[in-house]
Amino acid sequence: NAGVTQTPKFRVLKTGQSMTLLCAQDMNHEYMYWYRQDPGMGLRLIHYSVGEGTTAKGEVPDGYNVSRLKKQNFLLGLESAAPSQTSVYFCASSWGTGQYFGPGTRLTVT
Amino acid sequence: GQQLNQSPQSMFIQEGEDVSMNCTSSSIFNTWLWYKQEPGEGPVLLIALYKAGELTSNGRLTAQFGITRKDSFLNISASIPSDVGIYFCAGAHIIQGAQKLVFGQGTRLTINP
Repeated sequence: NAGVTQTPKFRVLKTGQSMTLLCAQDMNHEYMYWYRQDPGMGLRLIHYSVGEGTTAKGEVPDGYNVSRLKKQNFLLGLESAAPSQTSVYFCASSWGTGQYFGPGTRLTVT
Repeated sequence: GQQLNQSPQSMFIQEGEDVSMNCTSSSIFNTWLWYKQEPGEGPVLLIALYKAGELTSNGRLTAQFGITRKDSFLNISASIPSDVGIYFCAGAHIIQGAQKLVFGQGTRLTINP
């Protein structure tokens, strides 16, 4: 099992550009999450999903959209990137105990 | 939004020493979790706590869910070099089965051999 994978690992965007981050899990987990982590801070929840076809807002959803068309995939979109969205983005999935995290995507917006 | 206060922010210890860190919240959580993060990786779950007063061990790690449900602590006994990393507490609200986690700011552990 690969667990939770994220693509890409690194990305540099210019202000106003758009992109999609892909998260995939092979554990058949029902729940999936997107977080961002800024220097010296813990992770903050952006959006989450309780199942295929569902999404819900987390703590810091503004500027992001998500989609869960397939159970194993959870996509995070930035329609018009801003420098404030420079961060490390983590995806996670869960079923029951705890959450399993991917390795992260480091995004820089210039 | 909700915030967890995690302390200390950093610790510099000698190999073999015991470590203690804690987390407090102004809100009640029905689950407390402790994670460890190493450079360039995502957090890894260490211990999950589900009941107020619960004391749980995982090897040299011991964590407790506070009676008030607003705090938790993590102890590491006899530290070794591979314990180096950032430790995060997280409180969870369960919404439709999903865990909405609120993380502390982290405790950076450095060990001198």
